[in-house]
Amino acid sequence: DQQVKQNSPSLSVQEGRISILNCDYTNSMFDYFLWYKKYPAEGPTFLISISSIKDKNEDGRFTVFLNKSAKHLSLHIVPSQPGDSAVYFCAALNQAGTALIFGKGTTLSVSS
Amino acid sequence: KAGVTQTPRYLIKTRGQQVTLSCSPISGHRSVSWYQQTPGQGLQFLFEYFSETQRNKGNFPGRFSGRQFSNSRSEMNVSTLELGDSALYLCASNPVAATSDTQYFGPGTRLTVL
Repeated sequence: DQQVKQNSPSLSVQEGRISILNCDYTNSMFDYFLWYKKYPAEGPTFLISISSIKDKNEDGRFTVFLNKSAKHLSLHIVPSQPGDSAVYFCAALNQAGTALIFGKGTTLSVSS
Repeated sequence: KAGVTQTPRYLIKTRGQQVTLSCSPISGHRSVSWYQQTPGQGLQFLFEYFSETQRNKGNFPGRFSGRQFSNSRSEMNVSTLELGDSALYLCASNPVAATSDTQYFGPGTRLTVL
């Protein structure tokens, strides 16, 4: 049973436009969420995180929004660049704080 | 500072064999976690070690085991390999023992079971 769900396996966006990647979770006890980016043949790299005490966190072109009542978070990339093409994983920190629970990932393709 | 290293990078085994994968965390990191990545299931947590003790375990059968050495290096072992064990196995290290929320991943070991 997937506790973290990324329902869109892929997303295609033009360079300069906004990319919106979505993530839903089922466990209301999760209170910390992260986004990772993964290029082929490399391990995931941390992108941005958000605590449940916030509803928004920004870092340059990347913004994560959290809607606790809907158990939904989204990652916005503005403007999108071809180098952003990668697999994006949404993750929640488990209640013990010792493991990350990942979604299945969304492959983002940004065309120039 | 060197990153997380994993060896070997690629491995081909046949059903029924066993395999050992190795992970060297970032210097000074004491926590090591292992994840399995498959196309159908995404990234799934296997187990986490801190100071040579397994602190947390995911929902995998007993064929999957691990250990951590006093220098924080970790190994994971899969016995009686099945075709479904073909995956990318990722290791991640954490800088601290407590609830560190960011993990630094290695490049992974690609295991193919024939």
